[in-house]
Amino acid sequence: AQKITQTQPGMFVQEKEAVTLDCTYDTSDPSYGLFWYKQPSSGEMIFLIYQGSYDQQNATEGRYSLNFQKARKSANLVISASQLGDSAMYFCAMRATGANSKLTFGKGITLSVRP
Amino acid sequence: GAGVSQTPSNKVTEKGKYVELRCDPISGHTALYWYRQSLGQGPEFLIYFQGTGAADDSGLPNDRFFAVRPEGSVSTLKIQRTERGDSAVYLCASSLLGSGEQFFGPGTRLTVL
Repeated sequence: AQKITQTQPGMFVQEKEAVTLDCTYDTSDPSYGLFWYKQPSSGEMIFLIYQGSYDQQNATEGRYSLNFQKARKSANLVISASQLGDSAMYFCAMRATGANSKLTFGKGITLSVRP
Repeated sequence: GAGVSQTPSNKVTEKGKYVELRCDPISGHTALYWYRQSLGQGPEFLIYFQGTGAADDSGLPNDRFFAVRPEGSVSTLKIQRTERGDSAVYLCASSLLGSGEQFFGPGTRLTVL
């Protein structure tokens, strides 16, 4: 079974600053994938970034980067140069072995960007 | 191109009634997923289709929940004898075969009075 833990309370960041959203995971699968999704108030889940367990380098997608520390079982999301539109819920998720396996999500973190 | 669409966007029903929620995946996506998101929680997996068949239905909470995908595209999630605890946002996602990225629809907000 997979488990995702997101324990930070609501996060606040000043516009244009960087912020790190924490995620730890637990799994017995040797191969897995880690995802981050953004959910604005409109409710739609928006894919941000993906990290495979065997990827040697940390994933980056524009202003998003994933700080993957396999030994610590952590997959923190770093958002650089925060924008007001980044205010949303952020979910960390894991996919077990098999590209079409289900996603297991954490409880999410609320991020508020202050002008 | 069009994304995943879900209808209705909102559904209010009374306890004990039957409801159907519809999902139209992205054209060509063979994998389709249903998730349920309760207030303040992350989405929880319900069922996964590969083509017409349910490849994994381990997340369905009980036999009141059932889903079909008869032609391998549109899927319908069916809930019988609804209970107040079924109130949640039901999310549908689809993906290409062999691709891990799941594209989500806007969800159906179900309220059981």
